[in-house]
Amino acid sequence: QVQLVQSGAEVQKPGASVKVSCKTSGYTFTDYYIHWVRQAPGQGLEWMGWIKPKTGDTNYKQKFQGRVTMTRDTSISTGYMEMTRLTSDDTAVYYCARDSGLTYWGQGTPVTVSS
Amino acid sequence: DIQMTQSPSSLSASVGDRVTITCRASQGIYNYLAWFQQKPGRAPKSLIYDASSLQSGVPSKFSGSGSGTDFTLTISSLQPEDFATYYCQQYNSYPFTFGQGTKLEIK
Repeated sequence: QVQLVQSGAEVQKPGASVKVSCKTSGYTFTDYYIHWVRQAPGQGLEWMGWIKPKTGDTNYKQKFQGRVTMTRDTSISTGYMEMTRLTSDDTAVYYCARDSGLTYWGQGTPVTVSS
Repeated sequence: DIQMTQSPSSLSASVGDRVTITCRASQGIYNYLAWFQQKPGRAPKSLIYDASSLQSGVPSKFSGSGSGTDFTLTISSLQPEDFATYYCQQYNSYPFTFGQGTKLEIK
C-alpha cells in the first residue's frame, strides 16, 4: 500500500534552518510529484510547492521562493523540504502529499520555531 | 492566486442528517477541485477529486458536484466519525489554494 512517512518533530531557533524528509513506499517514486503543504496551529492548509522526482524540477509558491528548497533522493524514494531563515510564523505542521490530487499524505512533521 | 471560499465556516448537525458544504472559486477552475476531511491531530484525507470522483475506499455517502466556480460536497446519513473539518482545494493553476475549512460539529 502507498505510504509516506515523514521525519520527526523539530524545534528550531529563529534564523535557523530545518529539513523535513518524506520517505515513500508502495509505488514507483518517480511516477508522481511530491507536494508540500503546511498548517499553522489552528489554521487552514497552505500549499508550498512540488518536486517532480523523475527530473528534480520544482515549483514553489512565490512567498517561499528563495527560502524553501525541495529535493529528492531517488535511490531511497525520499523527498525533502528544507526551509531557511525560520521565524515564529513558520511554526506549523508540514505535510508531504503525493500527486496533484494530494491523494496520499504523510503523517505530518511539527516544526516549532522558538527562541 | 485563485481564492477559494467555503460556506458555512461551521455547521452543527445531528447523526443521520444530510449536509451540504459549498465551495466557490474566484475564477473558473473547470473541475479541478478536491475535497478533504481532517480530524484533530491527523493529516487530511482525500475524499473526492475532479469535483465528483470518489477516492478509492471512500464511502458513497460522500458526493461532490459542480464545475467552473461553484462546487458542493454532500454527506448523507451522518455518523459520529464524519464530524471533522472539511476543505476544498483547487488544482487548476498554481499556486494551489484551499478553502478556509468547514467545521462540522455534532448538534
